Amino acid sequence: AQSVTQLDSHVSVSEGTPVLLRCNYSSSYSPSLFWYVQHPNKGLQLLLKYTSAATLVKGINGFEAEFKKSETSFHLTKPSAHMSDAAEYFCVVSDRGSGNTGKLIFGQGTTLQVKP
Amino acid sequence: DADVTQTPRNRITKTGKRIMLECSQTKGHDRMYWYRQDPGLGLRLIYYSFDVKDINKGEISDGYSVSRQAQAKFSLSLESAIPNQTALYFCATSGVSNQPQHFGDGTRLSIL
Repeated sequence: AQSVTQLDSHVSVSEGTPVLLRCNYSSSYSPSLFWYVQHPNKGLQLLLKYTSAATLVKGINGFEAEFKKSETSFHLTKPSAHMSDAAEYFCVVSDRGSGNTGKLIFGQGTTLQVKP
Repeated sequence: DADVTQTPRNRITKTGKRIMLECSQTKGHDRMYWYRQDPGLGLRLIYYSFDVKDINKGEISDGYSVSRQAQAKFSLSLESAIPNQTALYFCATSGVSNQPQHFGDGTRLSIL
């Protein structure tokens, strides 16, 4: 069965410094992985996706993530944080098990705080 | 206009009441999903539907029911609401398996 673990429930950075949000996954299949962002009182917006093409995936707003099979990780990074990046971030794996249902399995979420 | 629209956006109701949350989409997707979000737990799948005649339970379907009235409409019902169903509810759609899902802005439901 697939699962996702976000290693930090809360990350705080200063504006202009790098962002690292950590995610480990477990999957018996070649996974499809996503990062979503949720701003207050809004739905989830897709940041980027990995679907077995290039291991370094570039997303919107300067974010990128690297798929590392040997480490079963899919960490999200950004070189320089902006105040508008403050939000909750979810690492997600798509269920590719029996029936290939496409159901999403969510991590618990990481709250990113950006200090001026 | 939003691609995935949820109504209402907020609802406060009492224990024992029947509640219906509605979701409509203009993306032309066959697949629709209902999730609930609780602090520290991420999103958990309640029900999903691959087309009008194909409805499936998710991991936390007890106490909920759904109706897929058309390709574009998928509603979630709480037959007899209880306080631990207080949560943020999201509807999502997708075209095919393993493609990203597109989310509505959510319905904040409080049950007193």
